[in-house]
Amino acid sequence: EIVLTQSPGTLSLSPGERATLSCRASQSVGSSYLAWYQQKAGQAPRLVIYGVSSRATGIPDRFSGSGSGTDLNLTINRLEPEDFAVYYCQHYGSSLVTFGQGTKLAIK
Amino acid sequence: EVQLVESGGGLVQPGGSLRLSCAASGFTFSSYWMHWVRQAPGEGLVWVSRIDSDGGSTIYADSVKGRFIISRDNAKNTLYLQMDSLRAADTAVYYCARDGTHLDYWGQGTLVTVSS
Repeated sequence: EIVLTQSPGTLSLSPGERATLSCRASQSVGSSYLAWYQQKAGQAPRLVIYGVSSRATGIPDRFSGSGSGTDLNLTINRLEPEDFAVYYCQHYGSSLVTFGQGTKLAIK
Repeated sequence: EVQLVESGGGLVQPGGSLRLSCAASGFTFSSYWMHWVRQAPGEGLVWVSRIDSDGGSTIYADSVKGRFIISRDNAKNTLYLQMDSLRAADTAVYYCARDGTHLDYWGQGTLVTVSS
């Protein structure tokens, strides 16, 4: 089972800044099987990025995913107030799904 | 519009049982694999189980294997999670999610509280 470790635990930034969130896998992951989700307080998670770098429907282009092997990143350019939330990376392999522990993107 | 609506959560004593439902609409339910994911209060997301499109293949997280059963009724467009031998550690919001491009649509969740 692949273990995903996200860093930092909390990232405090101001609107307009750039956020870079990291997800490290315990072993190399195929590009088709890594996704990122956004979760706001009291809401269900929302798919943001899939297949490492493809934006989900309705996700603005300030969101981008990158990386390969064991190191994946989610970058959010020009942070908007609605971007502050918890973000989870997720791996889907051999029918098993694992999530990272989450990174909280907080307003500074 | 794709909609997933969970129901069936509530307060149950340790050792008890509960059946969750997830009513799907706005898409061809029978064409999609489906998942259950849970989130304990203040904690992160934890995958629970997955079922394929016709119900012939299921898989579970080790933490629920032997206690939970995922099933579906494609005629009723409904996903189920039968939860037996419940423990305090099963207390969580339970979400159903569609397996499209990853878990592309989620319900709003239903809260299960296991407590005496």
